Amino acid sequence: DIQMTQSPSSVSASVGDRVTITCRASQGISWLAWYQQKPGKAPKLLIYAASSLQSGVPSRFSGSGSGTDFTLSISSLQPEDFATYYCQQTNSFPLTFGGGTKVEIK
Amino acid sequence: EVQPVESGGGLVQPGGSLRLSCAASGFTFSSYTMTWVRQAPGKGLEWVSAISGSGGSTYYADSVKGRFTISRDNSKNTLYLQMNSLRAEDTAVYYCAKGVVGGSYSGFDYWGQGTLATVSS
Repeated sequence: DIQMTQSPSSVSASVGDRVTITCRASQGISWLAWYQQKPGKAPKLLIYAASSLQSGVPSRFSGSGSGTDFTLSISSLQPEDFATYYCQQTNSFPLTFGGGTKVEIK
Repeated sequence: EVQPVESGGGLVQPGGSLRLSCAASGFTFSSYTMTWVRQAPGKGLEWVSAISGSGGSTYYADSVKGRFTISRDNSKNTLYLQMNSLRAEDTAVYYCAKGVVGGSYSGFDYWGQGTLATVSS
């Protein structure tokens, strides 16, 4: 099984900051998705296929990477972006999630 | 509007069974892969199972293999998760979600609100 390791597990940031979250796979993959989850809500797809922005998602979100190292970047953090973010490898079964990164207000 | 709606959660004793349902609308159900993802209280997301659009291919997490069965009825636009031999560690909110692109599993774009399954004596 492919293990996904996210870092950091939490980050404190201010509105307007650039935030970068990293996801590392235990072996090389091509397919990765990123999700945002707010408390008590279902996850929301942000990025799929490592860098494809899901329809309706603001352009301040971007995904990049290949092989084992991937990043989710938020170019200018907005108040509604404070949430927990998860990566998911969709390269092979079983699909696996990273442990999550909580973005908190500084 | 695309909207999956889960149902069937509840309280069950260890060793018992539950059948979750996910009613889908707003898209051509048979053309999309579907998945179940769960989240234990205060924990992260855990992928559980996925199924192809036709229902001919199914996939499971090791933690549920042999105990859970995913299926779909494309005539009813409904996805199912039959959960047997339930354990306390299966306690979670269960979400169903739709594949973002046709027959692929590259991401899941529309999620239900979740249904809580609690396994406890």
